[in-house]
Amino acid sequence: DTGVSQDPRHKITKRGQNVTFRCDPISEHNRLYWYRQTLGQGPEFLTYFQNEAQLEKSRLLSDRFSAERPKGSFSTLEIQRTEQGDSAMYLCASRTGQNYGYTFGSGTRLTVV
Amino acid sequence: GENVGLHLPTLSVQEGDNSIINCAYSNSASDYFIWYKQESGKGPQFIIDIRSNMDKRQGQRVTVLLNKTVKHLSLQIAATQPGDSAVYFCAENIGGSNYKLTFGKGTLLTVNP
Repeated sequence: DTGVSQDPRHKITKRGQNVTFRCDPISEHNRLYWYRQTLGQGPEFLTYFQNEAQLEKSRLLSDRFSAERPKGSFSTLEIQRTEQGDSAMYLCASRTGQNYGYTFGSGTRLTVV
Repeated sequence: GENVGLHLPTLSVQEGDNSIINCAYSNSASDYFIWYKQESGKGPQFIIDIRSNMDKRQGQRVTVLLNKTVKHLSLQIAATQPGDSAVYFCAENIGGSNYKLTFGKGTLLTVNP
C-alpha cells in the first residue's frame, strides 16, 4: 500500500486522558499536514511539516496539542487532557514539493466521552 | 442519527446525467484550487486542481471552471455514476508557499440509479 496510513482508525477515550495518533506519509513525500474535520464541515488546517521541521501551526492548535515528525518520515499528533470538543476526525496528508495536490489518509476518528 | 445537525447543500441527480457542483471562495489572493471527493468514513480523495492563471481544466469525466471575477469555482461531472455519490469539497490555497488549504462547505451528491 503506497498511500498515507493513519493509526488508529478509531479511538474512544475518557475526558482528561492523553491520546496519540500516528501518520505514515507516502515515502517520497517530504511535506506533511494535519487537519481536523468535524461532522458536516470541511477539514481545518492544524499544522505543517517540511521534512522534520514544523513550519506552521494554526491557532486551532492549543497548548494541549503537539505534533512531531522526528526523522522527517512518520508524524505523531498528541492531545493532552482531552476534552469533548476534541472529538473529530484527524486527517493527515502529504505531498512532494512538485506536486501540489495532497494525498490524504483515511483519518483517525476520536471520540471523547 | 449520524446526520443530525448535518446541513450540507445537496444535489440529487439521475445516473447518466451531468452534475454541476458550485463553490464560492472569498479571498482574491487565492492562487490554487482543488476539488476533493469524500466518501463516508474515508479521507478526502483528490479529483482535479486548477491554478489561478487558468479558467478551465479537464480530467477524466470531470471539468473544473474558475471565474476569478466573481470568485466562483465549479466542478462538472459528466455521465454521473452511482459511485460518484459522496460529499464534494472545494479547497483553496490563500497564497503562500506552504500550500495549507482552506476548505469550503461540502456538497452532498446523491446519484439515483
